[in-house]
Amino acid sequence: DQQVKQNSPSLSVQEGRISILNCDYTNSMFDYFLWYKKYPAEGPTFLISISSIKDKNEDGRFTVFLNKSAKHLSLHIVPSQPGDSAVYFCAAVEDGGSEKLVFGKGTKLTVNP
Amino acid sequence: DAMVIQNPRYQVTQFGKPVTLSCSQTLNHNVMYWYQQKSSQAPKLLFHYYDKDFNNEADTPDNFQSRRPNTSFCFLDIRSPGLGDAAMYLCATSRDSRGTDTQYFGPGTRLTVL
Repeated sequence: DQQVKQNSPSLSVQEGRISILNCDYTNSMFDYFLWYKKYPAEGPTFLISISSIKDKNEDGRFTVFLNKSAKHLSLHIVPSQPGDSAVYFCAAVEDGGSEKLVFGKGTKLTVNP
Repeated sequence: DAMVIQNPRYQVTQFGKPVTLSCSQTLNHNVMYWYQQKSSQAPKLLFHYYDKDFNNEADTPDNFQSRRPNTSFCFLDIRSPGLGDAAMYLCATSRDSRGTDTQYFGPGTRLTVL
C-alpha cells in the first residue's frame, strides 16, 4: 500500500516555463519531505526538503509547497531548463519515528528546448 | 571525486546462484543503506547499518543479507536469487540515521537474473 504517491509518471514542459511536480501522501505521521532528482545512470541526488512546520521552502529556481491538510506537496521549477530533465522522486519521513525515507515512484520530467 | 561507489554497475546471475553486490564510500558516514528498486517502482529500503549495528526491515526476505566489514564498505548478498529479485540495487550513506539527514546515493547496480 503506497504511502507516497506520484500519480504522474511523466511530464513534458517547454524550456522557460514552469514545471509542477505533485506528490500525495497518506501517512499523517510524516513530518519531513524531500525531493530527489535522478539522471540516467546516476544515483538520486538530494534537491530540496521541507519540514511540516513550514508550507513553503525555496532554493533558487526550486520551490516546494506543502499543504498538510490535503496531504499534498508540490515541486515548482521556474524557469525550467533542459538540464532539469530527470526523474524526480518525492520522499517522506516520520521524523522521530521510523526515520526511514518512504519514496514515491517518481515522475520523469522532460524539458524541451 | 565519486563519494558512493557501487560495483559492478551491471550484474547478471543465474537463478539460485548466490551473488554479492558491493558498495563503498569516501564520505566516512556512519550509516549505509541498501534499497531495492524494481522497474517503475519506488526505491524500497531493505536494511541499513549504523556503524556496525544492522537494522533489517521487517518485510525484507531472508534471502537478502548484508555485511559491513568496515566504515567504507558494505555488501549485499543474495543467497538464492529468484526472477523476482531482478532490480536496481541502490546503496546510500548518511552521516546519521535521522530521516532528515541527507542521504547520498551511489549509481546503483542493475541485477539481471536468468
